[in-house]
Parts: sequence; structure tokens; C-alpha cells
Amino acid sequence: GEDVEQSLFLSVREGDSSVINCTYTDSSSTYLYWYKQEPGAGLQLLTYIFSNMDMKQDQRLTVLLNKKDKHLSLRIADTQTGDSAIYFCAERMDSSYKLIFGSGTRLLVRP
Amino acid sequence: GAVVSQHPSRVICKSGTSVKIECRSLDFQATTMFWYRQFPKQSLMLMATSNEGSKATYEQGVEKDKFLINHASLTLSTLTVTSAHPEDSSFYICAAGAGEQFFGPGTRLTVL
Repeated sequence: GEDVEQSLFLSVREGDSSVINCTYTDSSSTYLYWYKQEPGAGLQLLTYIFSNMDMKQDQRLTVLLNKKDKHLSLRIADTQTGDSAIYFCAERMDSSYKLIFGSGTRLLVRP
Repeated sequence: GAVVSQHPSRVICKSGTSVKIECRSLDFQATTMFWYRQFPKQSLMLMATSNEGSKATYEQGVEKDKFLINHASLTLSTLTVTSAHPEDSSFYICAAGAGEQFFGPGTRLTVL
């Protein structure tokens, strides 16, 4: 079945690293995505990783994928107050363009 | 990156009326667009996939007669909520593109 889970809330201090975790169940996922949503706004694609990759780094963002455990994480280095938002992971099925979203993790960055 | 707009950004209507929401891809053509619904503090749920020139594909549990989708051109898809009721109040987000989905800013619908 299709199920993507995330922890609901994360609070970090400004300047620290944030790690947001996601687990998924469908092993046929081809791409896994991280989106950011600020209050009252749509989704902004942050980064994505292809299922045959283990890691992808893009400036302050590092994505780790453990395909065996079906675990995806997003690490934000030097977290800033502007990073406070809801972060969604999403998986894309092999057979379609359909995205299955996790429940979202609310990141709060304290000054 | 590609830009997707939605109009209106916010709408309040009376119960029983119909509301149309537009989704436009501004700088690219999109044969496929997606309509999502998001309840407060919850995730996005895919409602339907809109295909240019053909009928939309609805997800299980979504009433196609209530949520009418029209994708008449490569840059415009519309979602019409017919005979809206308070339980239809939600945040509706569209996305355009097949390989990579670009999301619109969302439309907040409030039905009184």
C-alpha cells in the first residue's frame, strides 16, 4: 500500500542543524521529494532524490535515502528562522506521475 | 523555475453556490495538471489528474459531479466546486507538470 509518515513537529535553535525524517512503504517509488510550505502558501520544491541514489547535497540541504529501510531524511545545516515552515516528503510511484505526500513536519526555528 | 498561478487566492461563498478556481502555467505548457485538497494542519490529498483535451482522472472517493475539472488548453485547468457546502471549505492547490510538479499558491475556499 501507499503510506508516507513523518514526525509532526521539530524545534531547533537558530544555527543548529535540523533533521527531518520520513518513512515510506512502497518500494517501487522512483523519485522522493522534499517540499516546503509556508503559512497560507503553496508548496515549494526543495530537492529530490532518485531512488538509486543514497545521498544528494545541495548547499545547506542534504538528503539521505536508505532504500532498504525505506527511510528518507532531510538535513538542513545552519538552520535559520526563515526555514520555519512545514516540510513534506513525497514519493512518486513508478507507474505514474502521482505523488503521495507525508503528513508534514512543522519546523520551528528558535532565535 | 516554472511558475503556476491560481485565481482567486481566497473566496468566500454561500452554501449552494458554485465556485470556479483557475490554475494557470505561466511560462510553460502543461498537458497534465493536478488538483489537491489540504485540510488544516494536514497533508495534501490528490483529488484528480487533469489531462488536456480529455477527461480528468479522479481519485477514489472524489465525486466527479461535484468537483468538475476542465483542462481546455495547455496552460489552463479549472476546478468548479458545484453546490458548495461548508464541508467543502478547504485549501485547494493545483500543480502543473508531469515529471516535476510545480505548485500554485493555493486557493482558500470558505463556504458559509
